[in-house]
Amino acid sequence: EAGVAQSPRYKIIEKRQSVAFWCNPISGHATLYWYQQILGQGPKLLIQFQNNGVVDDSQLPKDRFSAERLKGVDSTLKIQPAKLEDSAVYLCASSSQGPGSSYEQYFGPGTRLTVT
Amino acid sequence: AQRVTQPEKLLSVFKGAPVELKCNYSYSGSPELFWYVQYSRQRLQLLLRHISRESIKGFTADLNKGETSFHLKKPFAQEEDSAMYYCALRYNFNKFYFGSGTKLNVKP
Repeated sequence: EAGVAQSPRYKIIEKRQSVAFWCNPISGHATLYWYQQILGQGPKLLIQFQNNGVVDDSQLPKDRFSAERLKGVDSTLKIQPAKLEDSAVYLCASSSQGPGSSYEQYFGPGTRLTVT
Repeated sequence: AQRVTQPEKLLSVFKGAPVELKCNYSYSGSPELFWYVQYSRQRLQLLLRHISRESIKGFTADLNKGETSFHLKKPFAQEEDSAMYYCALRYNFNKFYFGSGTKLNVKP
């Protein structure tokens, strides 16, 4: 099966600019996650979707970050305006929720964002 | 609040030596623990989960609720085991909390 796709793979922007990331999960996976991974740290959950509804966005800096998952498939994560501390790898992951689900998350390759 | 601690940022061992990557957790509910691995230039991927009690690539991990630990072990390390290893806790409706990771370097 095709894996989780993300684009772009790399992005360099100046502070105060805007940026958007795109994620296409594995077909049929109801749950989609966005993580932020700062260098030297583990992935930190930003937002979790179940189909097209938000399950948890408690760690999403809502003054500058937004995310949506229209039609319960693809998702976009936006930062506006970006700050230097937003430099990180943004990971998208998906998992299935059906009977017998192992709750295994399948990760995309990530988008490496550098804010200058 | 939930928390996962991996005390070692880097672990270097020689090929053939035993390996133990430490993971301690804090969670008031019933924990479900995972180990994820990221090889160089590859995606983060699941290595093993405590529920399945399986051995993957020679690695095992036992959940010790008394010590709130889920250490990853392998009796004889191989060079291809060199990677970043992350311990993760599943909680509250399928949310995950990841530790900061341990880089395993297996020297020839």
